[in-house]
Amino acid sequence: QSVLTQPPSASGTPGQRVTISCSGSSSNIGSYTVNWYQQLPGTAPKLLIYSNNQRPSGVPDRFSGSKSGTSASLAISGLQSEDEADYYCAAWDDSLNGPVFGGGTKLTVL
Amino acid sequence: QVQLVQSGAEVKKPGASVKVSCKASGYTFISYYIHWVRQAPGQGLEWMGIINPSGGSTTYAQKLQDRVTMTRDTSTRTVYMELSSLKSEDTAVYFCARGGYYHDTSDYAYWGQGTLVTVSS
Repeated sequence: QSVLTQPPSASGTPGQRVTISCSGSSSNIGSYTVNWYQQLPGTAPKLLIYSNNQRPSGVPDRFSGSKSGTSASLAISGLQSEDEADYYCAAWDDSLNGPVFGGGTKLTVL
Repeated sequence: QVQLVQSGAEVKKPGASVKVSCKASGYTFISYYIHWVRQAPGQGLEWMGIINPSGGSTTYAQKLQDRVTMTRDTSTRTVYMELSSLKSEDTAVYFCARGGYYHDTSDYAYWGQGTLVTVSS
């Protein structure tokens, strides 16, 4: 049972826009910034969004993040086949004195 | 460029210990925290703990604090994670990741390649 709650799966067709939600509490998302990771099979997670809505250099602007209260979301527009991956949200948690992750959302491009 | 290079795959028997290394390069080693995160087969990411390479102070996830030890060697720019009393549930890929200047961050731009630890009798 993950501290941050994500839907286990999401899907879309090429060109569509999909969103992935991440729900937490006042001790994590409510107090700290949210980060998003993309993980392809057999590889390390890749930082996709940091500080709620910032993209590291090299991440396409098709990826965007937002946060409101104790929830956050990742949006992917103009869906492409290479976007098929697992996506994780993360935030620091005051109560646990460590970062917490969502359970991950497997995105399928139909 | 920033790189974190981990040691190779390990196979251990239940009850044994494993020590995984993470060698850093391309940045000022003592300026950034290092986190350890593991991922069991088909599962999500689980934070294990953090070490401050500057002074060596550590914080461990409560679930693992009796069995995990993180250390560092500043002369070789290497961080180590040792897990003892291994159980089958510890079978996972173990990652090191570079944190920030401060301990309370969860945005890790740099990760090691991962080390598969298999616990099997």
